[in-house]
Amino acid sequence: GNSVTQMEGPVTLSEEAFLTINCTYTATGYPSLFWYVQYPGEGLQLLLKATKADDKGSNKGFEATYRKETTSFHLEKGSVQVSDSAVYFCALNQYIQGAQKLVFGQGTRLTINP
Amino acid sequence: DSGVTQTPKHLITATGQRVTLRCSPRSGDLSVYWYQQSLDQGLQFLIQYYNGEERAKGNILERFSAQQFPDLHSELNLSSLELGDSALYFCASSTHGNYNEQFFGPGTRLTVL
Repeated sequence: GNSVTQMEGPVTLSEEAFLTINCTYTATGYPSLFWYVQYPGEGLQLLLKATKADDKGSNKGFEATYRKETTSFHLEKGSVQVSDSAVYFCALNQYIQGAQKLVFGQGTRLTINP
Repeated sequence: DSGVTQTPKHLITATGQRVTLRCSPRSGDLSVYWYQQSLDQGLQFLIQYYNGEERAKGNILERFSAQQFPDLHSELNLSSLELGDSALYFCASSTHGNYNEQFFGPGTRLTVL
């Protein structure tokens, strides 16, 4: 079945460091890909998405490119801030004949130190 | 604020009991989804409803059931509760279609003692 694998956390960085969180997927067909973020005590918020190969999703300085050849959707940010501390989830959207669900990776906890 | 509301925010109950979690989707969204987030299982899809009809089922236990009402709100019923059912339960909603993202509510934290 479809699955998503994220790099193990937790990840701890200093402010202004470069961030990469790896995400690879296994899927039949051509799913949409998403990054969601969960701040402490809150629900999931969509961070960015890409719907087809070579699409780049971007938001709030974060970027991810849908790479079909490597089945990857790595999240990057050039300069992280303390406010980026959260848990990040990579997900794919499995859509079959009107039925759809998100398949999530295990999540990566990110802590940014000032 | 995603526009998806869930009640209650917290629920504490005992093993063997039954609880109902409620979700109101964003205005205009016809699809509602339920997810369970636990430490050992991560985020898992439970079930999807579209305009009152069940559309997809995931790892939902037989003790759990859901429905979507004509006003599009949804309820998730959990019965014969066990300690392992303690988790965060999220509701999400979306417009219909393959590329549309899901918008998540703040979740209901269920604690079974």
